[in-house]
Amino acid sequence: EAGVTQFPSHSVIEKGQTVTLRCDPISGHDNLYWYRRVMGKEIKFLLHFVKESKQDESGMPNNRFLAERTGGTYSTLKVQPAELEDSGVYFCASSQELGHQKQFFGPGTRLTVL
Amino acid sequence: AQSVSQHNHHVILSEAASLELGCNYSYGGTVNLFWYVQYPGQHLQLLLKYFSGDPLVKGIKGFEAEFIKSKFSFNLRKPSVQWSDTAEYFCAVNRGLTGGGNKLTFGTGTQLKVEL
Repeated sequence: EAGVTQFPSHSVIEKGQTVTLRCDPISGHDNLYWYRRVMGKEIKFLLHFVKESKQDESGMPNNRFLAERTGGTYSTLKVQPAELEDSGVYFCASSQELGHQKQFFGPGTRLTVL
Repeated sequence: AQSVSQHNHHVILSEAASLELGCNYSYGGTVNLFWYVQYPGQHLQLLLKYFSGDPLVKGIKGFEAEFIKSKFSFNLRKPSVQWSDTAEYFCAVNRGLTGGGNKLTFGTGTQLKVEL
């Protein structure tokens, strides 16, 4: 089966610009998660979708970040306007059910804000 | 809030040496525990997981981990490492359905380098 895919793999933008990251989960996975790893730090949870609904967005850093999952399939994470501290690797993961189900991770998008 | 500590940030071993990576978590309730690995240029993938039952769990590629509830620990072990085990290893925890959802809390990761 196809895995979780993310686009783009790398993005370099200037401070103040807008960037949109995309995640395509494994087909049939209702749960979709966004995580971020800032260089040298731990991977941190951003938010969790169940189908098209935001189940938990407690990890979103501020209102410059907007996540959507229209139709309950792919998801986008928009950063507007980007700041230097937004640089890092953004991971997406998906799982079929809650509870014991493992999360399958995508390759990540490396975002660099100059 | 729960947190996860991985005490070894960088580990260098020779092939055939034994490996133990430490992981401690802070949450006092029921937890699910995971070890993920990221090989160079690859996705994060699950090595093993513990939900309940036998506290000694076996994963892929000869890895195992032991859950010690009294010590809030879930250390990863492998008796004899190979050069191909060079990767970054992440311990992670979630509270599952009853404790607030599926979001994973990760440690900072341990970079393992195995030398020939």
